[in-house]
Amino acid sequence: NAGVTQTPKFQVLKTGQSMTLQCAQDMNHEYMSWYRQDPGMGLRLIHYSVGAGITDQGEVPNGYNVSRSTTEDFPLRLLSAAPSQTSVYFCASSLRTDSYNSPLHFGNGTRLTVT
Amino acid sequence: GQNIDQPTEMTATEGAIVQINCTYQTSGFNGLFWYQQHAGEAPTFLSYNVLDGLEEKGRFSSFLSRSKGYSYLLLKELQMKDSASYLCAVMDSNYQLIWGAGTKLIIKP
Repeated sequence: NAGVTQTPKFQVLKTGQSMTLQCAQDMNHEYMSWYRQDPGMGLRLIHYSVGAGITDQGEVPNGYNVSRSTTEDFPLRLLSAAPSQTSVYFCASSLRTDSYNSPLHFGNGTRLTVT
Repeated sequence: GQNIDQPTEMTATEGAIVQINCTYQTSGFNGLFWYQQHAGEAPTFLSYNVLDGLEEKGRFSSFLSRSKGYSYLLLKELQMKDSASYLCAVMDSNYQLIWGAGTKLIIKP
């Protein structure tokens, strides 16, 4: 099992550009999510999905779109990049949404810089 | 509002014991998680508590008191590789995770 595969590892964008961060998991996990991590702050949830065809907004969804057409894939799209979106992005999945001990498995992260 | 508090940074000596505290105020409680995150890497799962008491896993133990909204992670026989950030996260009544900002643990020889 590869676990959670996230690409790219690094990306530099100019303000206004768009891009897609890819995330795939091969563990048949029900739940998938995108977080951003900024210095001095806890992980902040951008969007999440509890199953194929179902997505919902997290704490900081503005400027981002997601889709979940298959159980395995959960891409994150930046519509028009802004310097405030400079961050480290993590994709994470877990087996169940509503069970107690269902820890998150994280991808290796994407370091995004917007100039 | 929902809030998780943990110290920003702690320093300890190799071979010693360190306790990292986490206090929380959340809308409901469905468990508390501890994750380890080495610099430049992804968080990895360490422990989960949903009932009061101590859970032991080798050199690492985690304690929970739901009535006090308090948990700690205890690391024994510290090794240099334990230098990392330790993230506390609480699952609220909607099964959403609320994250602390993390505690950076520095181990000195």
